[in-house]
Amino acid sequence: DTGVSQNPRHKITKRGQNVTFRCDPISEHNRLYWYRQTLGQGPEFLTYFQNEAQLEKSRLLSDRFSAERPKGSFSTLEIQRTEQGDSAMYLCASSLRTSGRTDTQYFGPGTRLTVL
Amino acid sequence: GIQVEQSPPDLILQEGANSTLRCNFSDSVNNLQWFHQNPWGQLINLFYIPSGTKQNGRLSATTVATERYSLLYISSSQTTDSGVYFCAVNYGGSQGNLIFGKGTKLSVKP
Repeated sequence: DTGVSQNPRHKITKRGQNVTFRCDPISEHNRLYWYRQTLGQGPEFLTYFQNEAQLEKSRLLSDRFSAERPKGSFSTLEIQRTEQGDSAMYLCASSLRTSGRTDTQYFGPGTRLTVL
Repeated sequence: GIQVEQSPPDLILQEGANSTLRCNFSDSVNNLQWFHQNPWGQLINLFYIPSGTKQNGRLSATTVATERYSLLYISSSQTTDSGVYFCAVNYGGSQGNLIFGKGTKLSVKP
């Protein structure tokens, strides 16, 4: 069990550029979540996948944001035409959801995005 | 949606002291987790505790689901306990995602 990994750990970009982040979950986990955390706040949910299906999206996830989990393993989160308000820590979590049991989520180290 | 409130927002302790952090939630929950976020931003799982009491070394947690609160106890605090402690819940209205409180920032002084 190598834990949840995220790349890159830090990203600095100019306003208007596109960025893409990657998350590799714990290998046997079927659920993958994306959260965003701004300074002084708790993480806020963006979206989640069960296997390759995207099951829920938050209202925080504007049209500029898109997430994929093409083979039910790793996931990517893309932000198009970045804005300064997108600056935040982007956190990925994974869990193993089995029937009749609520899952424990394990978080990766995050990708810190700074939009200049 | 559900409200998750943590108290106190800030806590300063001398090394060796004990503390209690509280999490109140406004609706029934399926899942409650406590996390410690270290200075590098990593969220570390402490407890999965939708009800009952658990202990892990110097840390213990109790959730009273019927009264909608959870407590995290830290005994004999160490400087490495410093950071932000988050309570997060999952409830019937959220399919799987966690709703986080604003956290308690703990500073342990040597």
